[in-house]
Amino acid sequence: AQTVTQSQPEMSVQEAETVTLSCTYDTSESDYYLFWYKQPPSRQMILVIRQEAYKQQNATENRFSVNFQKAAKSFSLKISDSQLGDAAMYFCACTNTGNQFYFGTGTSLTVIP
Amino acid sequence: GAGVSQSPRYKVAKRGQDVALRCDPISGHVSLFWYQQALGQGPEFLTYFQNEAQLDKSGLPSDRFFAERPEGSVSTLKIQRTQKEDSAVYLCASSLAGHKVGYTFGSGTRLTVV
Repeated sequence: AQTVTQSQPEMSVQEAETVTLSCTYDTSESDYYLFWYKQPPSRQMILVIRQEAYKQQNATENRFSVNFQKAAKSFSLKISDSQLGDAAMYFCACTNTGNQFYFGTGTSLTVIP
Repeated sequence: GAGVSQSPRYKVAKRGQDVALRCDPISGHVSLFWYQQALGQGPEFLTYFQNEAQLDKSGLPSDRFFAERPEGSVSTLKIQRTQKEDSAVYLCASSLAGHKVGYTFGSGTRLTVV
C-alpha cells in the first residue's frame, strides 16, 4: 500500500505571490507516478501537474512546478504569481499500477486579493 | 461527451433506502473508477472497471455497495440499505491512457443519509 501525507490543512497567499504546498509519500514500489489535483467548490478534481518517478527533472506547467525529492519521498507544489482562481483544495496523489490512486487529506489554499 | 458527467448532483436518502448513482464517462475512455470522499478527506478508491470488466473492487466498504458497467460505458454505483456513514461525495473518473496521464473526474454526487 501507499500513503500520502499533506501536513498543511490550510495555506494562504497574497495575490501575485508564490506559495509552496507540501506532500510526502511512502511507497515500496520503484515505478510510480505523482500528481497534484485541484478541487474547487464545484467538486470536480482537476489535474494540475504530474511527475513520473523515474524522471529526475521536475515537472512544470506554466505557473505550477514541483520539487520532487525522490530520496526524501517529497513532492511539493509551487504556485507562482498566484491568482484568485487558484483558491481551492489541493490534493497530492500517488499511484503505481494506475488502478488505484492514493490521495492525501488535502490543503485548502486561500488567495488574498 | 466533453467531460465526465455524474447524476444526481445531490441525493438525500433516508437510512435504509437504496440509492443508485450514475456516471457517464468521456466517450472512448476504457478505464472507469469510483472514489468515495468523506467530508474533509481525500478521495478513497472504491472500484475500477476496464470496459465492462470490474477488475478491482477491493475498496468497496461492504457488500451493500455494488457497481456495474454492463456495456463498457455508463456505470452505476448502487448502495443498498444506506447508513449514515455512507454520507460522502462519490466521484467518478475515467481515463483513456491510464494512470500515466491521470484521470478526468466528474463533479461527483453528494450523498446525505438522514
